[in-house]
Formats: sequence, structure tokens, C-alpha cells
Amino acid sequence: GAVVSQHPSRVICKSGTSVKIECRSLDFQATTMFWYRQFPKQSLMLMATSNEGSKATYEQGVEKDKFLINHASLTLSTLTVTSAHPEDSSFYICSASRLAGGRQETQYFGPGTRLLVL
Amino acid sequence: DQQVKQNSPSLSVQEGRISILNCDYTNSMFDYFLWYKKYPAEGPTFLISISSIKDKNEDGRFTVFLNKSAKHLSLHIVPSQPGDSAVYFCAATPSGSARQLTFGSGTQLTVLP
Repeated sequence: GAVVSQHPSRVICKSGTSVKIECRSLDFQATTMFWYRQFPKQSLMLMATSNEGSKATYEQGVEKDKFLINHASLTLSTLTVTSAHPEDSSFYICSASRLAGGRQETQYFGPGTRLLVL
Repeated sequence: DQQVKQNSPSLSVQEGRISILNCDYTNSMFDYFLWYKKYPAEGPTFLISISSIKDKNEDGRFTVFLNKSAKHLSLHIVPSQPGDSAVYFCAATPSGSARQLTFGSGTQLTVLP
């Protein structure tokens, strides 16, 4: 168990358009999902924490109006990159947390979405 | 200021030998630590974790050691296999919950056949 999917796996779009990325927990309910961004040869940087039914909590420096997050159900969170620009090109990864090994939560990651903005 | 550091960007090991990946942290509030493995263009895969109440956790070929006084943890893989070649990230979080993971910069492990 603990499978997290993302769709699409890669997307190319023109500058100024919006792109939606879906994150689903396939075999468990996740009250909390996380969105990360990874630039080449760098670590994963947390963008925002998404709780089902409430507004996302964004990390410092992440524009909430540019990166819209919707956590509509216990198994689905979406990230919409609005008015994308070439500097938004990156690898976006979501994760969902669930209890593992007792009371401790563990994050399980999706396969990531490669976004290229032309 | 990096709170979780993986000072070795890369490591090469012969197949069958032991791989030791190191991680240091500075935040004394961290009390739950995780290791993830990541292939290119894929999301990280959870490997193993350890709580600060333990100093060792073992799962098959993977063992994580925690030295709280030194704020240091390590992942041992033995025997190493070519399929273990990947980037390994350590992550840490306070309060025993994986809700706020701080990741290291990763170590590229290459296991040579």
C-alpha cells in the first residue's frame, strides 16, 4: 500500500498559460498532502502543505496566487501553476502522509511532474 | 542555513560491499529521521526511518544509525547491489511527525558491478 500517483508525468506549455497537476493517494486516505519543487541537482523544496477541506499553507517565498492548491477530497490534491513562465520550469512532486510503524506519519511521494514552459 | 546536510554529493561502491551514506543535522528539535531513495525523473521512495528514542533501526539490507549527541545519522546498505544506484536523501522532522520534512541535498550512490 501507500501508492501516490501524479498526472501528468510531463507537460510542455507556452508562457502565460496555466497548468494543472493532480496528485492522488490510490490506496489510502491522506488528510495532508505536500507539494515540492526540485531544481536540477538540488534538494526537494517544500512549496506548500495542503489539508483536505481547508486552505493550503504556503512556505515563505512561494506565491499563493501563482501556485493554486486545491485539496478537494482525502485522495486528491491539485496544483495549478497560473500564468506559467520559463522560470517555473521544474520537477514538481507531491506527497501524501499516512501513519506507518505506529503513530508516526510518513510521507509517500508521487512520481513527479516535469514542467517545461516555453 | 542548511539544517540537514549531506556533505558527500556522490559515493561509489563495489557490488557486494557496504555502502555508508552520512547525514548531519543542526536543529536539536528534530526527532524523527527518514531516508528516501530517488531515481531520475521519479519521486522519492521511502526506505527506512528512525525515531530519536532509538539508535538503530534495521530493515533487510538497510540499517539506519542515529547518534543524537553528534547530531549524525547514517544509512548502511549491505550487501550493495547495482539496483541500489540512485540519489539518497535524508530528511528530518520535529515532533515525530512527517508533516514538515527538511531534506538534505542528497548523495548519488553508484554501485559498480
